[in-house]
Amino acid sequence: GAVVSQHPSWVICKSGTSVKIECRSLDFQATTMFWYRQFPKQSLMLMATSNEGSKATYEQGVEKDKFLINHASLTLSTLTVTSAHPEDSSFYICSASVQSHRGKVGYTFGSGTRLTVV
Amino acid sequence: GQSLEQPSEVTAVEGAIVQINCTYQTSGFYGLSWYQQHDGGAPTFLSYNALDGLEETGRFSSFLSRSDSYGYLLLQELQMKDSASYFCAVRDRGYGQNFVFGPGTRLSVLP
Repeated sequence: GAVVSQHPSWVICKSGTSVKIECRSLDFQATTMFWYRQFPKQSLMLMATSNEGSKATYEQGVEKDKFLINHASLTLSTLTVTSAHPEDSSFYICSASVQSHRGKVGYTFGSGTRLTVV
Repeated sequence: GQSLEQPSEVTAVEGAIVQINCTYQTSGFYGLSWYQQHDGGAPTFLSYNALDGLEETGRFSSFLSRSDSYGYLLLQELQMKDSASYFCAVRDRGYGQNFVFGPGTRLSVLP
C-alpha cells in the first residue's frame, strides 16, 4: 500500500530556532501533500496544502512566513517551523490522498512529528 | 463552511458492538471517511463511503445516508486494542481533495 515516511518522529528545540520536518512518499507520487497540526486531545487541523512545483496554499490564520512549505519533487514535501516558540509545540502530521483501483479515496498519513519548543 | 459532529466519548466492554455516529454539514459532499488514531500515533484509514449504504471490512463497517447527512462507524467484537480516537472526515467539493475532520470520539474498551 501507499506509504508516507515522515521524520523526525520527535524533536526538541530551543525557542527561536528553526525545525525542518520531511515527508516522503515511498511507493507512489504525491502531487499534493497536506500538512496538519494536532494539539493534545483535539482533532486534526489543516495548516496548508502543498502542491509539487508551486506555492503552498495556507489555511486562514496560518502564518506562511512562519511555516515554510516546500514541495520540490513528487516524492518530497518539507515543513519548516521558523523561529519556533513554545506555543508551536504540537504534533505535526503530513498526508497524501490515495485512490484505489475501486475508486475509493482516502488519506495515507505520515507517522507524525512531535515538536517540543523549550 | 463545513461542520461535523461526533460524540466526544464512548465506552463499551470487550466483545460488544459499538456505533459511533457522525453528522455533517457541507456545501458540496463527495464522501465520508473514518480514521482511527491511537494515543501518540498518526491516524490510520478505516473506510470511505461515497454512496449510501453499508460498507463492511472485517469487524468494522461504515454506513452513509447522504439525504440525512449522517454516517456511522460500527465496530463489532470489540477488543482492547480498539481503544482509540475515531474521526469522521468529510470530503467537500468546495475543499478540493482535502478532508475536513470531525472532533473525534474517544472509545474506551473495558475488560
